[in-house]
Amino acid sequence: RKEVEQDPGPFNVPEGATVAFNCTYSNSASQSFFWYRQDCRKEPKLLMSVYSSGNEDGRFTAQLNRASQYISLLIRDSKLSDSATYLCVVTTKGTNAGKSTFGDGTTLTVKP
Amino acid sequence: DTGVSQDPRHKITKRGQNVTFRCDPISEHNRLYWYRQTLGQGPEFLTYFQNEAQLEKSRLLSDRFSAERPKGSFSTLEIQRTEQGDSAMYLCASSVGRDSSSETQYFGPGTRLLVL
Repeated sequence: RKEVEQDPGPFNVPEGATVAFNCTYSNSASQSFFWYRQDCRKEPKLLMSVYSSGNEDGRFTAQLNRASQYISLLIRDSKLSDSATYLCVVTTKGTNAGKSTFGDGTTLTVKP
Repeated sequence: DTGVSQDPRHKITKRGQNVTFRCDPISEHNRLYWYRQTLGQGPEFLTYFQNEAQLEKSRLLSDRFSAERPKGSFSTLEIQRTEQGDSAMYLCASSVGRDSSSETQYFGPGTRLLVL
């Protein structure tokens, strides 16, 4: 079993739709959680950090459930420009450093 | 452009050859990471530096792989005796702060390696 698991999709949705992605992690010692976005053949870029209290940034809402070891990302009013792969990232604090583990990503295609 | 830069952007080599990649992090960033990414997979952690010290290495990093960050600025990743399975995108990222586990990592554009 992978340390960080995501539904690979693809998710194909019409513009304006609401879509939710889920991510589960296996290491209960994980400390920090992020969603990154990766466009085709480009590098990953931070979308948002994920906090236990949940956080929102415009159309994007991220939630963390530590008890269930589960992270979610909700995108409301999808735009064509939201088409990308969304990577769930979990960081565990090691002896000297934080190790980041990426999920394999969920692909979203927003269609007109 | 003051982002993370990587050189070269593409590399084609024959099996058995050695290759070296360079990463220049954002100038004030003290942490530097190397990842490998293959098609359909997320980036896999390879190694991590805080300043010039290499603090963590993945088990993925076989004896053929070595990374350095001699002056705590740029870093190099060398792959010796390349194999076809080494074909991948090699990503570098950097961050700054006191707690690496909560920092945003900024990625470079990657070096795409193809081993023939």
